[in-house]
Amino acid sequence: GQQVMQIPQYQHVQEGEDFTTYCNSSTTLSNIQWYKQRPGGHPVFLIQLVKSGEVKKQKRLTFQFGEAKKNSSLHITATQTTDVGTYFCAGYTGANSKLTFGKGITLSVRP
Amino acid sequence: DGGITQSPKYLFRKEGQNVTLSCEQNLNHDAMYWYRQDPGQGLRLIYYSQIVNDFQKGDIAEGYSVSREKKESFPLTVTSAQKNPTAFYLCASSTREATYEQYFGPGTRLTVT
Repeated sequence: GQQVMQIPQYQHVQEGEDFTTYCNSSTTLSNIQWYKQRPGGHPVFLIQLVKSGEVKKQKRLTFQFGEAKKNSSLHITATQTTDVGTYFCAGYTGANSKLTFGKGITLSVRP
Repeated sequence: DGGITQSPKYLFRKEGQNVTLSCEQNLNHDAMYWYRQDPGQGLRLIYYSQIVNDFQKGDIAEGYSVSREKKESFPLTVTSAQKNPTAFYLCASSTREATYEQYFGPGTRLTVT
């Protein structure tokens, strides 16, 4: 079945450092979504990418969809303590109307 | 105030008992989903429903059951057949197509001893 992979599962950075994480799918995706879950909270939608090579920015966050639509990246510029949490990517193939979530990457930021 | 509500926030049960988790939404969304979250496992889909009176199994449906009698409600029953029921359960909804963002409820943390 479809797999969406996020490696590693944990990353620790110093406040002010940049952070990049990747998401890889075993199959071509129709779209990819990113969610953020704060500690003790629930996932919250961040962004959706649909087009090959698409790049979207939200303040210090930059999201990119790969040319082959099988991978995506999230880059955070100058991390802040408010960036802590678990970031999930989720891919949709259009095959059966359900998203497949990666296991997430938990980001911690040292002040 | 639109959103998804799940109750209760914490739930404790004895092994061998069935338990039903509530999920209600007032977003007028057609599709609803149940996920299970365990440490290091991400979100795993239990059941989903795209329309009233219809639902499909997700990736880990064994030991769970659902109903969708109303558009606003999608309760999940964790049966005694579920071998490891202790987990964080998240309900979500979206417009009918999963290409649109999913809105998550606050979750129910179930502990079975």
